[in-house]
Amino acid sequence: NAGVTQTPKFQVLKTGQSMTLQCAQDMNHEYMSWYRQDPGMGLRLIHYSVGAGITDQGEVPNGYNVSRSTTEDFPLRLLSAAPSQTSVYFCASRRGGQLGYGYTFGSGTRLTVV
Amino acid sequence: ELKVEQNPLFLSMQEGKNYTIYCNYSTTSDRLYWYRQDPGKSLESLFVLLSNGAVKQEGRLMASLDTKARLSTLHITAAVHDLSATYFCAVDSKINSNYQLIWGAGTKLIIKP
Repeated sequence: NAGVTQTPKFQVLKTGQSMTLQCAQDMNHEYMSWYRQDPGMGLRLIHYSVGAGITDQGEVPNGYNVSRSTTEDFPLRLLSAAPSQTSVYFCASRRGGQLGYGYTFGSGTRLTVV
Repeated sequence: ELKVEQNPLFLSMQEGKNYTIYCNYSTTSDRLYWYRQDPGKSLESLFVLLSNGAVKQEGRLMASLDTKARLSTLHITAAVHDLSATYFCAVDSKINSNYQLIWGAGTKLIIKP
């Protein structure tokens, strides 16, 4: 059981480049989310999905796109990378519904934009 | 505005001592989560607190929830170096018809031998 798998683990981009961060989970979780973590700021929600075909914006969505064509995959696309997007990105998933299920996190992607 | 505030944000303590991390939140919620993060690593779930008065314990860590006071505490008993990490609390809150986690900024805990 792999849990939540993120790739790549590290990435360096030049300003203006685009790329996709991959996230896959094998737990049949309905909810999936992308967070960015910056020093001293905790986690900030970028986009989230409550099921295949359903996505919505979080707290800091600008400059990012997502799609959810399957339950398992939730890729995050950076459209035109900027230095302000240098951060650690975490994908997380959990079961849906109103019961108290915590998130399972991926190992993270450390992104540097130069 | 929905807020989750942790204090302290930084804590340096000696092994063997007891201490408490506080998590206050501004929204009505009866579901609160504690996570641990080691440097350069991902987040690991510690506790899920689902009702007023909930108390959970794992080893030297004990978490409690008071939904009326909108307060959760993470108590460390007889701290050991291995507990050095950053601890986050997060609260479930309904945003745009869906539940999302609102996160605290984290408490960086350093335990000195």
